[in-house]
Amino acid sequence: GNSVTQMEGPVTLSEEAFLTINCTYTATGYPSLFWYVQYPGEGLQLLLKATKADDKGSNKGFEATYRKETTSFHLEKGSVQVSDSAVYFCALRRVDAGGTSYGKLTFGQGTILTVHP
Amino acid sequence: GAVVSQHPSRVICKSGTSVKIECRSLDFQATTMFWYRQFPKQSLMLMATSNEGSKATYEQGVEKDKFLINHASLTLSTLTVTSAHPEDSSFYICSARGLAQLTHEQYFGPGTRLTVT
Repeated sequence: GNSVTQMEGPVTLSEEAFLTINCTYTATGYPSLFWYVQYPGEGLQLLLKATKADDKGSNKGFEATYRKETTSFHLEKGSVQVSDSAVYFCALRRVDAGGTSYGKLTFGQGTILTVHP
Repeated sequence: GAVVSQHPSRVICKSGTSVKIECRSLDFQATTMFWYRQFPKQSLMLMATSNEGSKATYEQGVEKDKFLINHASLTLSTLTVTSAHPEDSSFYICSARGLAQLTHEQYFGPGTRLTVT
């Protein structure tokens, strides 16, 4: 079956530090990969996505590259801010060889990020 | 971008009563809506998928008679927690997905915090 594994948190960083949150996946077919962010007390917001191997998703200074050979989609940011403190979820959506997208998302367990001034 | 709202944002109810949560797509037609449950500091668990005008598809282990889902229009889905118990206390999040290119992704609502006393 499909699954997503994220590095365990919490992750605590100082402002302007480099961030990496690891994400690996197991899936049949050709999944699309996502990173979602959840700020305290809110729902999820799509941060970035990649739909095929070697694609790089980017948004708000965050980046992640779809690595099929290592089945990974690690999230990175060069210089974090206090406002980046949130929970980050890696997720996949299965897509079969014919391009049919299955709507269900499979989420990782989430990684809590806290950034101190 | 596509906006999804939920109402109420917080609700407290007594054990044994029922509570209804609404999920609305504000600026697009949502052919599919998803309902998730999130426990504190944990990932999202998909409860059910509903397509407009048809019965919801529930995930394994989710009681369909307890969590009633209605998706009567292209902009509204409701989740009714019947005969609520304290263990139903959780954060419930909906997401919506349309057919149009820009709305093919899932867009999440802000969530509803349910507390059963």
